[in-house]
Amino acid sequence: QSALTQPASVSGSPGQSITISCTGTSSDVGGYNYVSWYQQHPGKAPKLMIYDVSNRPSGVSNRFSGSKSGNTASLTISGLQAEDEGDYYCSSYTSNNTLLFGGGTRLTVL
Amino acid sequence: QLQLQESGPGVVKPSETLSLTCTVSGGSISSSSYYWGWIRQPPGKGLEWIGSIYYSGSTYYNPSLKSRVTISVDTSKNHFSLKLSSVTAADTAVFYCARLGVRLHLGEVIFGTLLDWGQGILVAGSS
Repeated sequence: QSALTQPASVSGSPGQSITISCTGTSSDVGGYNYVSWYQQHPGKAPKLMIYDVSNRPSGVSNRFSGSKSGNTASLTISGLQAEDEGDYYCSSYTSNNTLLFGGGTRLTVL
Repeated sequence: QLQLQESGPGVVKPSETLSLTCTVSGGSISSSSYYWGWIRQPPGKGLEWIGSIYYSGSTYYNPSLKSRVTISVDTSKNHFSLKLSSVTAADTAVFYCARLGVRLHLGEVIFGTLLDWGQGILVAGSS
């Protein structure tokens, strides 16, 4: 199974909004509303930011939002802050009863 | 508050078997509301799902690793384990254990979200 497709890097200035895409197929992203997004800072374990496409866990800022259209899911971060810098990964349940990750996106806050 | 802690050797010789344990505290591994799983991350690279297990013992594995992986659960000790056989240098990675949420999809209990993660343990396949 191939990894979900994410851009290698995105950047934005403080206060701006950015969007990270996550493209799969009808057997994963397009077939299930079980897409999640994780934030990872250097040397740390990933942290859940969005689950089931668009739901935020308790304690996650409402600056983070998720959506999906067809086989592509998206994570949008509004009002960028320096602390948002890090790596972001999407994941999706698949029709093969597996979990598939995206390759990861490095977010740089300029 | 749920905590997960990975334990095991930091170095495994090539061709040998990597064995890790994830001890769960602050919650029961026997809950029907969660799956438990392993994820790895080679240095400087992305995340790779290894496999997941339900408290009943049902397992699902990454097809690319399936022939070498065994995940088991010990409800009496509230922990679950990973064995990866025939290790090579390419298996060098930080290994994370995690708790996964479940969903009911067309009558079947499936897993989706990695809700909580352990801190990770670096394991090197090296002589």
